[in-house]
Amino acid sequence: AQKVTQAQTEISVVEKEDVTLDCVYETRDTTYYLFWYKQPPSGELVFLIRRNSFDEQNEISGRYSWNFQKSTSSFNFTITASQVVDSAVYFCALREYTNAGKSTFGDGTTLTVKP
Amino acid sequence: SQTIHQWPATLVQPVGSPLSLECTVEGTSNPNLYWYRQAAGRGLQLLFYSVGIGQISSEVPQNLSASRPQDRQFILSSKKLLLSDSGFYLCAWSGQYTGELFFGEGSRLTVL
Repeated sequence: AQKVTQAQTEISVVEKEDVTLDCVYETRDTTYYLFWYKQPPSGELVFLIRRNSFDEQNEISGRYSWNFQKSTSSFNFTITASQVVDSAVYFCALREYTNAGKSTFGDGTTLTVKP
Repeated sequence: SQTIHQWPATLVQPVGSPLSLECTVEGTSNPNLYWYRQAAGRGLQLLFYSVGIGQISSEVPQNLSASRPQDRQFILSSKKLLLSDSGFYLCAWSGQYTGELFFGEGSRLTVL
């Protein structure tokens, strides 16, 4: 069975601080997808990034960066120079590498960025 | 571009009443469709998914059912709501060979 653990339930930082959200996953599959989603107070989940299990190259997109380490089954998300608009619940998810592709979500990390 | 809409946005229903939440996708064909439920302060629980018209897979046996009468329409139903059905319901779609989910605005159901 697949499992995603986001050990940090809540994180609070002051604007312009860097913050890292942790994600650890468990799967018996050799091929899979990993994702991060953002859920602002409005409630609608927004896709941020997808990573295939065979691609361990880290990625940077503006202030966002992702560190995928297959050896430790981790897919961590770092926000550099955080802003108040980054305040949201962030979910890490693991998806089967099949057409139906069921996704398993972590419980989320609530990030609060204070001005 | 692709869009997804679900309605109603908010619903307050008495115990024992029926439920119908509807979701439609535009701008794509033959999407995979999903219904998730999010309890307060928790992650997302997959309820149903569909890879085609009339094809429904249930992940959690419960008081709910789903149907896909058209390629881009996905409906979540219940004949008699329970208090435990309260929650935030999210419809989502993905392409057949891509992985990311695109979510609707969500429907907040309160059962009293």
